Amino acid sequence: DSGVTQTPKHLITATGQRVTLRCSPRSGDLSVYWYQQSLDQGLQFLIQYYNGEERAKGNILERFSAQQFPDLHSELNLSSLELGDSALYFCASSSNRGDETQYFGPGTRLLVL
Amino acid sequence: AQSVTQPDIHITVSEGASLELRCNYSYGATPYLFWYVQSPGQGLQLLLKYFSGDTLVQGIKGFEAEFKRSQSSFNLRKPSVHWSDAAEYFCAVGLRNSGNTPLVFGKGTRLSVIA
Repeated sequence: DSGVTQTPKHLITATGQRVTLRCSPRSGDLSVYWYQQSLDQGLQFLIQYYNGEERAKGNILERFSAQQFPDLHSELNLSSLELGDSALYFCASSSNRGDETQYFGPGTRLLVL
Repeated sequence: AQSVTQPDIHITVSEGASLELRCNYSYGATPYLFWYVQSPGQGLQLLLKYFSGDTLVQGIKGFEAEFKRSQSSFNLRKPSVHWSDAAEYFCAVGLRNSGNTPLVFGKGTRLSVIA
């Protein structure tokens, strides 16, 4: 158990819909990262938040957004969903205290029908 | 841009045999280096990491990896594979000195273990 939690574990929705994925980092970790894992693209970085502020952006679509709340949990919002958004979405956290190790949550598997 | 290459998509080894999974990276300086393992339907578990110092690092589950600067490689090894090691293995790199940076992952190597 990495200490990073993600909910829900599975999500099935229809095209055009909007969903929210939630992540709670390890206790004390200030940074949260979101990654997408798909068969064709592999593991790709989407976005990073550090202590409530956006720190880095990767291959995140404009239809996707995220935020980190004062209690440091984070949410990834996916809107106008398309079939191609079906993937495993991981959250990871790190301490930002000289240790760059990222610890991953179990992921949310999203299926868009 | 950084890139990570895992040249072997799928490897099959016999239980008890040794294992080496290859990883090469492309980056101007030495990045942070990681190996993660993903079992079917599971998340990513950290096996080991290299930040600095001894270039041979030990990890969990009997794995080790060796950083070779001259070859830009960070290969993962295990002397005797167990059936429970069957999983997908990912090599990843992160930028140094930029304060918590996103990881760049290789495409992964799927390990199958046969009796």
